[in-house]
Amino acid sequence: AQSVAQPEDQVNVAEGNPLTVKCTYSVSGNPYLFWYVQYPNRGLQFLLKYITGDNLVKGSYGFEAEFNKSQTSFHLKKPSALVSDSALYFCAVRDDGGYSTLTFGKGTMLLVSP
Amino acid sequence: DAGVIQSPRHEVTEMGQEVTLRCKPISGHNSLFWYRQTMMRGLELLIYFNNNVPIDDSGMPEDRFSAKMPNASFSTLKIQPSEPRDSAVYFCASRDTGFAYNEQFFGPGTRLTVL
Repeated sequence: AQSVAQPEDQVNVAEGNPLTVKCTYSVSGNPYLFWYVQYPNRGLQFLLKYITGDNLVKGSYGFEAEFNKSQTSFHLKKPSALVSDSALYFCAVRDDGGYSTLTFGKGTMLLVSP
Repeated sequence: DAGVIQSPRHEVTEMGQEVTLRCKPISGHNSLFWYRQTMMRGLELLIYFNNNVPIDDSGMPEDRFSAKMPNASFSTLKIQPSEPRDSAVYFCASRDTGFAYNEQFFGPGTRLTVL
C-alpha cells in the first residue's frame, strides 16, 4: 500500500521569505511524486513531479521540490514567497505499476502574509 | 485544449432527489477519476475508469452512488437518492496512461449542496 503524510495542516510565512511545505511518502515500488496546488473554489492544479534522475525538480510559479530517497521525503520549496502563493497544497505519490492510482496527502494550507 | 470540463458547476437540491454530475475528460486521455472533497474527509477517490471500464470503485460510499462512462469523452456520477451528507465538491480528473508518470488533470469541480 502507498501513503503520503503532510505533517503540517498550515504553514505561515512572510512575503519574501523562503517557504517549505513538507511531504513524506511510502510506496512499494519506484515512486512517482507530485505536487498540486488548489486555489479557493478551483480544482487542483499540477505544479511539478519527480520521475527519476535529478533530485531537485523545478516546476511552475518558481516552486521546486527536493526528492530524498533515504528520508522518503519530497518537500516543496520556494526561495521567496508571494502573497499570491497562499493556497492549499497537496503532495501525491504513485508507484510505477500499471493500474496504481495517485494517493494524496491531506493537504497543507500555506498562508503568506504581506 | 479546454481541459477537463464538469457540469454543473453548482448544484443545490433537496434530500431525496436524484443528482447527476457530468464530466468530459481531456481528449486522448484514457483514464478518468471521480473524487469528492470535504473539510472533514479531505480528498477521496470514489472510482476510476481505464479505457471506459471501471477499474476500482471501492471508494464509492454506498449503493446510492453510481458512475458510468459510456464512451471516451463522457462520464456521469449519479447519486440517488441524495442526502445532506453528500454535500461536497466533486472533482473529475483525467490522465493519459501512455507513461506511468503522467500527471492527472483536474476539472473545476461541482459544488453540491443537498438541503
